[in-house]
Amino acid sequence: EDQVTQSPEALRLQEGESSSLNCSYTVSGLRGLFWYRQDPGKGPEFLFTLYSAGEEKEKERLKATLTKKESFLHITAPKPEDSATYLCAVQGEANYQLIWGAGTKLIIKP
Amino acid sequence: DAGVTQSPTHLIKTRGQQVTLRCSPKSGHDTVSWYQQALGQGPQFIFQYYEEEERQRGNFPDRFSGHQFPNYSSELNVNALLLGDSALYLCASSSWPGHTEAFFGQGTRLTVV
Repeated sequence: EDQVTQSPEALRLQEGESSSLNCSYTVSGLRGLFWYRQDPGKGPEFLFTLYSAGEEKEKERLKATLTKKESFLHITAPKPEDSATYLCAVQGEANYQLIWGAGTKLIIKP
Repeated sequence: DAGVTQSPTHLIKTRGQQVTLRCSPKSGHDTVSWYQQALGQGPQFIFQYYEEEERQRGNFPDRFSGHQFPNYSSELNVNALLLGDSALYLCASSSWPGHTEAFFGQGTRLTVV
């Protein structure tokens, strides 16, 4: 069964304190792994798609990496506006639906 | 360029009632997927519509049904509402079923009392 587990559930950082979020997955043939950001009461906002192990993508203070079993979202020198829930999802080769993790709630204190 | 729009934004219904939620996809997108998101959880896939047909379905009962119109907009219908149906309902659009850069609407917050 396809499954996604994100850790930690919540992470509190001081502004400028870099860290990483983890997304572990099991899927029958990975079609793609996706990172989204979700602000309270809003829909998820697309950040990255990763397709194969070793791939990396960057956007501002965020960098996503992928291995055969997990993905990391690295946050460098975060700012308070980076506070949000970060969701990870995978799509397997069997079908097109996204399987989601429960998310990591990131809080950046000024 | 308008993104994905959903209506209404909030809704309160009584147990046993029926509800219809609406979604207009992003311009240029022809595939619509619906998700249910409980508080503190990730979204759960309900179903996906492409070319006016349900292409895939998640583990949801038949009380959940949908429709896609020729202009690619979509409706989600839920019959015989249960308290457990209270959640944020999200619509996502993409340029084809396999395209995974899905864009989400702001969601409809459904409360069943």
